[in-house]
Amino acid sequence: GQQVMQIPQYQHVQEGEDFTTYCNSSTTLSNIQWYKQRPGGHPVFLIQLVKSGEVKKQKRLTFQFGEAKKNSSLHITATQTTDVGTYFCAGKGGSEKLVFGKGTKLTVNP
Amino acid sequence: GAGVSQTPSNKVTEKGKYVELRCDPISGHTALYWYRQSLGQGPEFLIYFQGTGAADDSGLPNDRFFAVRPEGSVSTLKIQRTERGDSAVYLCASSLMSRVGTEAFFGQGTRLTVV
Repeated sequence: GQQVMQIPQYQHVQEGEDFTTYCNSSTTLSNIQWYKQRPGGHPVFLIQLVKSGEVKKQKRLTFQFGEAKKNSSLHITATQTTDVGTYFCAGKGGSEKLVFGKGTKLTVNP
Repeated sequence: GAGVSQTPSNKVTEKGKYVELRCDPISGHTALYWYRQSLGQGPEFLIYFQGTGAADDSGLPNDRFFAVRPEGSVSTLKIQRTERGDSAVYLCASSLMSRVGTEAFFGQGTRLTVV
């Protein structure tokens, strides 16, 4: 079945450093979505990517969807303490099932 | 309602008991998802509804788990003969239509503890 892998599992950075998390799917995706979950909270939608090679930006966050629509990345420039949380990618393959990766837990040292 | 509502927020039950977890999606959202999340893990897909029907239940771990959505709105996840391994946060999410490009809105979850 469809699997979504994410690396790294954990990332600890100093405030101001950049951060990147990578997502890979075992199958071609129709779209990929990114979510953020704060400690003790629930996943909150950040963005979705649909087109091959698509790049979207939200302030310091840059999201990319690979040309083959099997991988994606999230890059945060100059991290802040408010960026702390776990970032999940989630993909839809041939069905409407939304499959999540295991997430990357980001901690930021002030 | 304003968001996805899940009740109860916490449930402690004894091994072997039956539990029901309720999800009230955002009004008008036709798609509804159930996930299970263990500590330090990502949401694990259980089942997805489009309207009243279960469009994909491939994530239900075994026949002790069952979910319904009889009127296409509120959904109930039912777990029979609970086991300690069922302990987790059960998340419900809804989306406006299940088609490419539609975000899922999550509830706060029900934390189930089986003792």
